[in-house]
Amino acid sequence: QVQLVQSGAEVKKPGSSVKVSCKASGGTFSSYAISWVRQAPGQGFEWMGRIIVNLGLASYAQKFQGRVTINADKSTTTAYMELSSLRSEDTAIYYCASGHMDVWGEGTTVSVSS
Amino acid sequence: DIQMTQSPSSLSASVGDRVTITCRASQDIRNDLGWYQQKPGKAPKRLIYGAASLQSGVPSRFSGSGSGTEFTLTISSLQPEDFATYFCLQFNNYPFTFGPGTKVDVK
Repeated sequence: QVQLVQSGAEVKKPGSSVKVSCKASGGTFSSYAISWVRQAPGQGFEWMGRIIVNLGLASYAQKFQGRVTINADKSTTTAYMELSSLRSEDTAIYYCASGHMDVWGEGTTVSVSS
Repeated sequence: DIQMTQSPSSLSASVGDRVTITCRASQDIRNDLGWYQQKPGKAPKRLIYGAASLQSGVPSRFSGSGSGTEFTLTISSLQPEDFATYFCLQFNNYPFTFGPGTKVDVK
C-alpha cells in the first residue's frame, strides 16, 4: 500500500513562492500519478493539477495555470508542487494524493501573510 | 469543467440510522466517482471507488451506487465513528472536481 509523507508547514509573504514535497513509499513510484489539491479554511477542495510520473507529464487546472508547477523525482520517489506569486487567498492545507485520489498525504499548511 | 452538486449539505442523525447522501454530476462521468470521509484536522479517507466498489478495510455498512450523473452513498447503520463530513470526487475528466460536502452530526 502506497504511503505519502508531506513536508512541514510553511509561512510565506505575499508575492513569494512555496514548494511542498510529497515522498512516496510502498509502491512503484514510476507507475504513479500524483495529484495536488488544496482546502482553504472552512472551504471545499480544489484540484490544482496532476503529474503522470512515468511520462513526466503534468496537467494543471486553468485557475492555477502559470502559477503552479508540479514535478516528480523518480530517484527519490518524491513529487513536488510549487506555487508562485502567493497571495492571502492561497492560505490553505495542501494535499498530495496518488492515482485516482486513493491515498492522500497528511497535508501541508501554507499560510500567506504580510 | 464538470460541476458536482451534493445533497444534503448537512444532516443530523442518530446511531443506528440509515443515512443516504446524493451526488450529481453536470455531465456523464460513467462510474468515475469516489466517496470520501473527512474528520476534523485529518486527511480525507476514500470509502468507495468506481462509484460502487468498497475500499479495502472500509466497513461493509458503507455502500455506493449509481452511474452517469447520479450517485448515492449509503451508510446502513450509522456508528459513532461515522460522524464526519462526506464528499464525492469525479475523476472522469480534468480538472477533477469535488462535491461541496455533507456534514453528518449527532441528532
